[in-house]
Amino acid sequence: NAGVTQTPKFQVLKTGQSMTLQCAQDMNHEYMSWYRQDPGMGLRLIHYSVGAGITDQGEVPNGYNVSRSTTEDFPLRLLSAAPSQTSVYFCASSYSYSTQETQYFGPGTRLLVL
Amino acid sequence: AQTVTQSQPEMSVQEAETVTLSCTYDTSESNYYLFWYKQPPSRQMILVIRQEAYKQQNATENRFSVNFQKAAKSFSLKISDSQLGDTAMYFCAFRSIIQGAQKLVFGQGTRLTINP
Repeated sequence: NAGVTQTPKFQVLKTGQSMTLQCAQDMNHEYMSWYRQDPGMGLRLIHYSVGAGITDQGEVPNGYNVSRSTTEDFPLRLLSAAPSQTSVYFCASSYSYSTQETQYFGPGTRLLVL
Repeated sequence: AQTVTQSQPEMSVQEAETVTLSCTYDTSESNYYLFWYKQPPSRQMILVIRQEAYKQQNATENRFSVNFQKAAKSFSLKISDSQLGDTAMYFCAFRSIIQGAQKLVFGQGTRLTINP
């Protein structure tokens, strides 16, 4: 198992550009989520999905879109990048939405918006 | 809404020493889960230990143990016989069991450095 994979590892964007952060897991996990990590603020939930075709907003969803067409993939789209979106982005997954399960995190994508 | 506070931004100890990282949280719920995650320079988040609030016994995983004080809403992590590989950011996290509110809530993190 590769676990949770994320691409790219690092990306530089100009303000107004769009891009998609990729996340994939090969563990047949139902639950997937995206977090952003900013200095001194811990991780904050952006969007999450409890299964294919089902997504919902987290704590800081503005400026981001998600979709879940397959169980394996959960891409995060930045429609028009802003400097405030400079951050490290983590994708995580767990077998189900239940709190009995532990979330597995990907290695992160570092995004710099100029 | 739940909040998680880690009051120690940075800590530094010598190799083989014991170190304790503090975490407090705020919730009105009686049952929930608490976690400690480790984030080494590779940035990947690694689960260190998990505690279920309805269990009075403190969780232990090898050199890692917790001191869970439910009434005080405190959840500290003790690392015994610290090793250079323990150098990392450590995050405390809370997770509700209430349907629809089960997202992880993280503290700000503590940067731990183990010196040789």
